[in-house]
Amino acid sequence: QKEVEQNSGPLSVPEGAIASLNCTYSDRGSQSFFWYRQYSGKSPELIMFIYSNGDKEDGRFTAQLNKASQYVSLLIRDSQPSDSATYLCAVGGDMRFGAGTRLTVKP
Amino acid sequence: DARVTQTPRHKVTEMGQEVTMRCQPILGHNTVFWYRQTMMQGLELLAYFRNRAPLDDSGMPKDRFSAEMPDATLATLKIQPSEPRDSAVYFCASGLVGVGLAPGELFFGEGSRLTVL
Repeated sequence: QKEVEQNSGPLSVPEGAIASLNCTYSDRGSQSFFWYRQYSGKSPELIMFIYSNGDKEDGRFTAQLNKASQYVSLLIRDSQPSDSATYLCAVGGDMRFGAGTRLTVKP
Repeated sequence: DARVTQTPRHKVTEMGQEVTMRCQPILGHNTVFWYRQTMMQGLELLAYFRNRAPLDDSGMPKDRFSAEMPDATLATLKIQPSEPRDSAVYFCASGLVGVGLAPGELFFGEGSRLTVL
């Protein structure tokens, strides 16, 4: 059974801080990794994807991948109240999701 | 504006009734996923199709759930008979996957909220 695990949170950070979200996966053969954001009552939407080891930056967001440790993370710099949402990690061609981490950014 | 369309948006039914949820994927997308989301379990993969062929339905309770793609514009998820534990939001998502390539972005529908009494 392919597993995708996320720290369930909830995670609370003050405005302007760095939020760190983590995800581990069991299928060592996984090649693709995604972070989705889901606002309450809405559908998930893609924030970033990463395929190669290392870091990938897009604005205030950085995805980090370590295939040897089977670990992918998402850093949100200068967190804003509008970043308050549930963040979902998805892994592999069959797009299996973790349970999500609820983030609250307090003004 | 291309989007994934799901119907119904809300459904309340009684235990034992048949429920059918429908999804129209984005035109040109070749992969369709069905997910179920609850507070306790998060976003669970139920089944997915590529080019209308089922690739994996291991996440579905086989005795009561079935998923089909009768044509490229329609995916269906059927529950018969429904049970209270099936109450959840069911999402359909579509994407474009190239041969030999990793999947790209998934586009989600707005979901079908099912309540089984």
